[in-house]
Amino acid sequence: RKEVEQDPGPFNVPEGATVAFNCTYSNSASQSFFWYRQDCRKEPKLLMSVYSSGNEDGRFTAQLNRASQYISLLIRDSKLSDSATYLCVVNRAGNTGKLIFGQGTTLQVKP
Amino acid sequence: EAGVTQFPSHSVIEKGQTVTLRCDPISGHDNLYWYRRVMGKEIKFLLHFVKESKQDESGMPNNRFLAERTGGTYSTLKVQPAELEDSGVYFCASSQEIGSGEKLFFGSGTQLSVL
Repeated sequence: RKEVEQDPGPFNVPEGATVAFNCTYSNSASQSFFWYRQDCRKEPKLLMSVYSSGNEDGRFTAQLNRASQYISLLIRDSKLSDSATYLCVVNRAGNTGKLIFGQGTTLQVKP
Repeated sequence: EAGVTQFPSHSVIEKGQTVTLRCDPISGHDNLYWYRRVMGKEIKFLLHFVKESKQDESGMPNNRFLAERTGGTYSTLKVQPAELEDSGVYFCASSQEIGSGEKLFFGSGTQLSVL
């Protein structure tokens, strides 16, 4: 079983739609949680960190449920430029910078 | 400010040959990481340098892979001899402190194809 599991998709949505991605992690000692974005043939880039209290950045909202070991990302009012692969990423205890990546969920926003 | 740079961007070699990948971290970043993504799989950690010392090399697949960071600046990752299963994208990342994923900056990767 993978340590971080994501539905690979693809998710095909029209512009303006709301789309939600889910992720589960198996290591209960995991300490930090992130969503990264990766465009085709590019490097991963941090989209946002995920906190237990939930956090929002414009059209993006991330949630963490430690009890269920579940992370989510909600994108509202999807734009064509949101098309990318979204990576759920976990950092093990100790904050070593050794990140554990999910396989990624592909989003395609269509006009 | 220059980001993390990797060279080459692409490399095509034959099985059994040797390839050396290079990573130049952001200036002043003591922490340097190598990650790899093979086809159809998730990005996986290979190793972590703090300056010139290997802090964690638990992700290195086998002894055909050798990473160095002489002088604590740029790093090289050598694969010798390369095998078909080594094909993938090799990412380098750097950070100023040992921290969380918030402070990791990735290079654009080296696409390695072993034929």
